[in-house]
Amino acid sequence: QTVVTQEPSLTVSPGGTVTLTCASSTGAVTNSDYPNWFQQKPGQAPRALIYSTSNKHSWTPARFSGSLLGGKAALTLSGVQPEDEAEYYCLLYFGGVWVFGGGTKLTVL
Amino acid sequence: QITLKESGPTLVKPTQTLTLTCAFSGFSLSTTGVNVGWIRQPPGKALEWLARIYWNDDKHYSSSLKNRLTITKDTSKSQVVLTMTNMDPVDTATYYCAHSPNFWLLFDYWGQGTLVTVSS
Repeated sequence: QTVVTQEPSLTVSPGGTVTLTCASSTGAVTNSDYPNWFQQKPGQAPRALIYSTSNKHSWTPARFSGSLLGGKAALTLSGVQPEDEAEYYCLLYFGGVWVFGGGTKLTVL
Repeated sequence: QITLKESGPTLVKPTQTLTLTCAFSGFSLSTTGVNVGWIRQPPGKALEWLARIYWNDDKHYSSSLKNRLTITKDTSKSQVVLTMTNMDPVDTATYYCAHSPNFWLLFDYWGQGTLVTVSS
């Protein structure tokens, strides 16, 4: 069973920078895994942020960026705002099957 | 604009079959590349990808649930239906459907979700 692993929780100060990562149990994450990132706030449906590693949707704030880092997919928030406090999920492709990570709870404190 | 809305029973008994409908507007499932997926989220837990159906009727399923899932589409009615057999209390979750415009860009538009509780 393929497992996608994210940090369970991270804390960042307002205005700071934080990187969330997404690892695959099958090995290094590559562009062929088409990493997607989603943000979810309590009581809301998830919102898409990043697709295909680093591409932003039209509504994605400029402070969010996606990349590959050390064999993992990464989501970096630069200049964090209080409204960025949320759960973040990555989604990876495994040959016809997609698997979400367990999510990272980001606290802005 | 693109909208999706899930509907179905809020309560099902163990061993029963769940049938959920995703009614959508603002796009056509006959457009090349377009697909609709289902995702669920147990209370307080992570998202789980379930299934995906493409404009050409290609279908993909979660490895762990593929024996219990069936996804179909009715392009003329702008609906996608997900059935899940042999429901168990661990299947209690909010079930979402979501639109994707192509293979690699997933779930840019989501429904509001529908909570399904499995209990006798």
